[in-house]
Amino acid sequence: ETGVTQTPRHLVMGMTNKKSLKCEQHLGHNAMYWYKQSAKKPLELMFVYNFKEQTENNSVPSRFSPECPNSSHLFLHLHTLQPEDSALYLCASNPTGGANTGELFFGEGSRLTVL
Amino acid sequence: GQQVMQIPQYQHVQEGEDFTTYCNSSTTLSNIQWYKQRPGGHPVFLIQLVKSGEVKKQKRLTFQFGEAKKNSSLHITATQTTDVGTYFCAGIPGNQFYFGTGTSLTVIP
Repeated sequence: ETGVTQTPRHLVMGMTNKKSLKCEQHLGHNAMYWYKQSAKKPLELMFVYNFKEQTENNSVPSRFSPECPNSSHLFLHLHTLQPEDSALYLCASNPTGGANTGELFFGEGSRLTVL
Repeated sequence: GQQVMQIPQYQHVQEGEDFTTYCNSSTTLSNIQWYKQRPGGHPVFLIQLVKSGEVKKQKRLTFQFGEAKKNSSLHITATQTTDVGTYFCAGIPGNQFYFGTGTSLTVIP
């Protein structure tokens, strides 16, 4: 139990569907992250939110839309995805959004398959 | 851009053998972190190194940070089947995490 909960754990969607991934952290952290993990690739940083404000968008296509209503919740809205977007999407949190202040706490991930 | 390379990509060892993975950055890092991801699991933090030349140990695991703060290594002595997984380094050049490609370790009983 990491204190970071992701739902759903598995998701299968068609290219025209709209779905959302949810992340909730119970650690009192102020920064939340979305990472994409594909086979044989390093963990790719997608978005960073610090105190609900987006501080990093790593050139992510607009078919991925993040939302951070408060410091404890983070969403990733998915629309018109491509098969190559199939991957494990990992949410993480950090106390203050600074790599110098501690480690990342990851959720279990949401395994996405796009048909 | 920032690159963190990790070698080898895969390593198969007999149980009881040693294992080492190396992490190299194109730029100087303020610190480096190591994570382990078990098959089907999520990355879990192992350790953080901050000082040039720093060496830290956790039981059979030894972590080193290079003098120039551009490379790091993780060494496991006498591997066990519980060591199976992918080991990632995360280089921190400023205030952000850049993950290496990971080394997938298989331990043959």
